[in-house]
Amino acid sequence: QQQVKQSPQSLIVQKGGISIINCAYENTAFDYFPWYQQFPGKGPALLIAIRPDVSEKKEGRFTISFNKSAKQFSLHIMDSQPGDSATYFCAASTGTASKLTFGTGTRLQVTL
Amino acid sequence: DTAVSQTPKYLVTQMGNDKSIKCEQNLGHDTMYWYKQDSKKFLKIMFSYNNKELIINETVPNRFSPKSPDKAHLNLHINSLELGDSAVYFCASSQGTGRRVALHFGNGTRLTVT
Repeated sequence: QQQVKQSPQSLIVQKGGISIINCAYENTAFDYFPWYQQFPGKGPALLIAIRPDVSEKKEGRFTISFNKSAKQFSLHIMDSQPGDSATYFCAASTGTASKLTFGTGTRLQVTL
Repeated sequence: DTAVSQTPKYLVTQMGNDKSIKCEQNLGHDTMYWYKQDSKKFLKIMFSYNNKELIINETVPNRFSPKSPDKAHLNLHINSLELGDSAVYFCASSQGTGRRVALHFGNGTRLTVT
């Protein structure tokens, strides 16, 4: 059972463009929504996270938009750069960190 | 460097063998985890340890056993390896077990079972 659905599976964006990755969840008990970034050959690393009591969180070029009623959240990467090329995972948790559920990942390629 | 380090980076072995993957963190964290990433990049938690006690064990075959000699180390032992065990295994750590803690991952061990 896939509790966090992520799309698209892969994404190609030109340098300077906006990358958008979407996630949807089913479990209304989820109350923390982080995004992890994974470069090839490396482990995932926390990028940005949001709580359900806010609708948007911005850190530099990265923004999470959260729609509680629709049970959806998305990552926007403004002014995408080749260095942003990586796999991005949305996740959701409730209770403890051991209950963190990851999405299926989006492979982002930013071209010159 | 402060980090989560795991060895080996690559592990190629035959079916039926027993192997171990080691993990060490020098971040001073009190909780460590093992995750499995399959060929489709799906990440799934296998185990977590908090203060040397197993606090969660997902539906993982008992051929897999975590062993933590101290809170800075969490090793993964796998007995009677099967083809389906081929994957990338990630060790991670966190300070505390709250849902908002950041997980710090190692760089993974790619296990190939032939």
